[in-house]
Amino acid sequence: QKEVEQNSGPLSVPEGAIASLNCTYSDRGSQSFFWYRQYSGKSPELIMSIYSNGDKEDGRFTAQLNKASQYVSLLIRDSQPSDSATYLCAVWNYGGSQGNLIFGKGTKLSVKP
Amino acid sequence: SAVISQKPSRDICQRGTSLTIQCQVDSQVTMMFWYRQQPGQSLTLIATANQGSEATYESGFVIDKFPISRPNLTFSTLTVSNMSPEDSSIYLCSVVDGGSETQYFGPGTRLLVL
Repeated sequence: QKEVEQNSGPLSVPEGAIASLNCTYSDRGSQSFFWYRQYSGKSPELIMSIYSNGDKEDGRFTAQLNKASQYVSLLIRDSQPSDSATYLCAVWNYGGSQGNLIFGKGTKLSVKP
Repeated sequence: SAVISQKPSRDICQRGTSLTIQCQVDSQVTMMFWYRQQPGQSLTLIATANQGSEATYESGFVIDKFPISRPNLTFSTLTVSNMSPEDSSIYLCSVVDGGSETQYFGPGTRLLVL
C-alpha cells in the first residue's frame, strides 16, 4: 500500500515567521510531488509541484525534495494569517489504469496575528 | 489551467434516494477523477472516469453504489445511489490537464443525507 504521511498538526506560527510543513512517502519510485492548500469549506488548490531533488521557490513558498530520504517539505516565509489553511502533500502514483495522486491527511496551519 | 464546474454545489437528500453530480470542464482533458472528502478527513479517490468505457474504481467503491459516466473529454457524472447518512460528504471532480501529472479540482458538491 503506497502511503503519504503528514503531521496532522495543528501547526501554529506567529505572523511573519517561517512555517515548515513536512511529508514522507513510501514508494521509492515516485517522481512527481505536489503541495495543495485547502481553505475550510473550499476545494484544494495547487501551490507547488516539484520533480527534482533540491529546492524550488515561488514567491514566499519553497518546496524541498529529497528522494533518497523520501521526504518533501514546504516552507512558507513571512507567514500571513491568510496562509491559515490545511496543506495537503500529494505524490503521483503510476499504478492503476492511468495513474493518480495519493494524498496525505494534511497539516492544518494556523498563523496568529 | 482548466476551469472546472460542478452541479449542484450542495444538496440535502433523504436516505434511500440517489443524486447525480455533474462535472464540466472548459477544455478537453486526458483524465478525470472523482474524490470524496468526509468531514475533517483528507481526500479519498473513488474512481477514474474513463472516456467511452467503464470507470476504474478504487478498493471499497463499487459501480452499483457510485455509477460514473464520461461520454466525452469534457464532461462526467457521478451518481451516489441509495444514499445513507454515511454518504454525507464533499464530492470533488478533478482533472489532469494535458500531458502533465498536475491535477486541478472543481469546487465540490456538498451532500448532506438525512
